[in-house]
Parts: sequence; C-alpha cells; structure tokens
Amino acid sequence: QQPVQSPQAVILREGEDAVINCSSSKALYSVHWYRQKHGEAPVFLMILLKGGEQKGHEKISASFNEKKQQSSLYLTASQLSYSGTYFCGTEMYGNEKLTFGTGTRLTIIP
Amino acid sequence: EPEVTQTPSHQVTQMGQEVILRCVPISNHLYFYWYRQILGQKVEFLVSFYNNEISEKSEIFDDQFSVERPDGSNFTLKIRSTKLEDSAMYFCASQVRAIYDSPLHFGNGTRLTVT
Repeated sequence: QQPVQSPQAVILREGEDAVINCSSSKALYSVHWYRQKHGEAPVFLMILLKGGEQKGHEKISASFNEKKQQSSLYLTASQLSYSGTYFCGTEMYGNEKLTFGTGTRLTIIP
Repeated sequence: EPEVTQTPSHQVTQMGQEVILRCVPISNHLYFYWYRQILGQKVEFLVSFYNNEISEKSEIFDDQFSVERPDGSNFTLKIRSTKLEDSAMYFCASQVRAIYDSPLHFGNGTRLTVT
C-alpha cells in the first residue's frame, strides 16, 4: 500500500529542473507532497484532490492523474533551498491516514 | 503562526523501560497523528486519533503502544516496554479537519534512543 517514488535520489545544478513521481497500486483519494530537510520535520507543500488537478507554488507544481494513480512534482529553475527529501503522502478511499512514499532525496549544487 | 510542539526533543532510555512522548497540537485542530522515522528512512504511520479515540492504527502500533489526550490539549504516545528497534524519530502531527483536504502540521519530533 506504500506509494513508490522515483527517482530515489537526484542531483541537480542550480537552475535545472526536476520531476519526482509517486505511484500507487490502489485507487487514491488525495495526494499530499511534503519536503523534509535533514534533521527537521516534514513541511507541507501542496494537496491534490481530483484527477487531473494541477497546483503550483512558486516554481514548484504538481499534477495528479487519478486514472493512473500517479502524481508528479515538478521543480523548475531549482534553487539551493529546494534541497531535501521529498515525500508524497497518499490517502486511499475509506482510510483516515496518510501513507508516505519511499522518499526522493534532492541535492542542488551551485 | 501556530505550531505543534513536542517534548522532549531527545530521550535516551534503557530497553524494557517505559517512555512517554508528549505533543501539544495546534489548538483548533481536530485530528492527531503519530508517525515515526527510522534514521534516513521513510516516515511510517503509527496511529490516528479523532474525537478522543483511535480512528486507525498500523501493524507497528501493537499492545506496547498507547495514545492519550489526557487534558484536552496534550496528546501523548506511551511505549510500555521499549525495544532496541523502537529507536527512531517520533513525529506528532495535527490537522484542522479530515485528511483529504487539509495539510498535516508536524512537530519537530522526539528522537528516541533505546540502549
């Protein structure tokens, strides 16, 4: 039931773009995205509720393909502050819990 | 901005001892959670709590674990007899309403070390 994220890790130069994917084997009700910096708590980025919904937050956006049970997080023109581990959290119909994915470690180098 | 606060930030205990991890959720939030994260690994769901009762729990949350909201503001996680494998970062989170449309707000965590 745990969503699978890909890639597991990615290294980018400042200004480059990245895509992080999150897939589930079960039908999803919502997808959350969080970023965790080393030694800190996860911090909320965005929630996607409907199939095909897209959201954006500055240069970070996400999409949710309900049919494919997938979500993707897009980071454009990455900044050093984007470094951290990104987790998707998925909620399935009938559950009252968020199950986090395996995580994607993003490293931005100058 | 209101925060979720957790105490202590670090707890060291001997195997077999009881520990209580404390959390003060954001005051108008209705849903409460405990998650744990073993160093460098994924964030694992333990338990959700709503309306003074457990609404869902994971396989990890066995009879050694319990949660309580003793006074309407604190939210505690008790581990009755700690094992080495309980060593992890424990995060409390709260949410203003149902999970599907509102974010989880996490505390800074309690690092539990069982020796």
